[in-house]
Amino acid sequence: QKEVEQNSGPLSVPEGAIASLNCTYSDRGSQSFFWYRQYSGKSPELIMFIYSNGDKEDGRFTAQLNKASQYVSLLIRDSQPSDSATYLCAVNDMSGGSNYKLTFGKGTLLTVNP
Amino acid sequence: DTGVSQDPRHKITKRGQNVTFRCDPISEHNRLYWYRQTLGQGPEFLTYFQNEAQLEKSRLLSDRFSAERPKGSFSTLEIQRTEQGDSAMYLCAADTQYFGPGTRLTVL
Repeated sequence: QKEVEQNSGPLSVPEGAIASLNCTYSDRGSQSFFWYRQYSGKSPELIMFIYSNGDKEDGRFTAQLNKASQYVSLLIRDSQPSDSATYLCAVNDMSGGSNYKLTFGKGTLLTVNP
Repeated sequence: DTGVSQDPRHKITKRGQNVTFRCDPISEHNRLYWYRQTLGQGPEFLTYFQNEAQLEKSRLLSDRFSAERPKGSFSTLEIQRTEQGDSAMYLCAADTQYFGPGTRLTVL
């Protein structure tokens, strides 16, 4: 059973701070890693994906991947109250016929306080 | 708006009834996924289509669940003889990027 682990939180940060969200995964064969934001009552929204070791930056968001440690993280700089949501980490599951079937973590609830 | 629509958005049914959900994805995306999400959990994979072919179905999915994607366009997910444990949000996704708004099922 492929597993993706996240701290459920809540993670609370003040406005303007850096929020750091972490995720570990069990399948060493995984090649693609995704971060989604999910507002309460809404469906997941893709923020970033990363395939290679190292950092990938997009605006205020930075994804970091360390395949040796089976660890992926998401940094949110200059956090805003509108960033308050649940952040889901997802990893592609190489079993079966699809390279794009995803295994999700339970998500981390982030609260950004004004 | 992700361009993926789902219908209905909400469904309340009695235990033992059959329900059917529909997903209309962006036309150029060949891969379509169904996930189920319960409160406090991440989405759980149910099944996957490449065009009209159903290539994988979760082992967690009982025989009461069936899905189709005729002509590789819209997809339907049917649950027969619903149980209270089927209550969840059912999400459709085109590739990994585009999730629909979901159908919230409540089984009484």
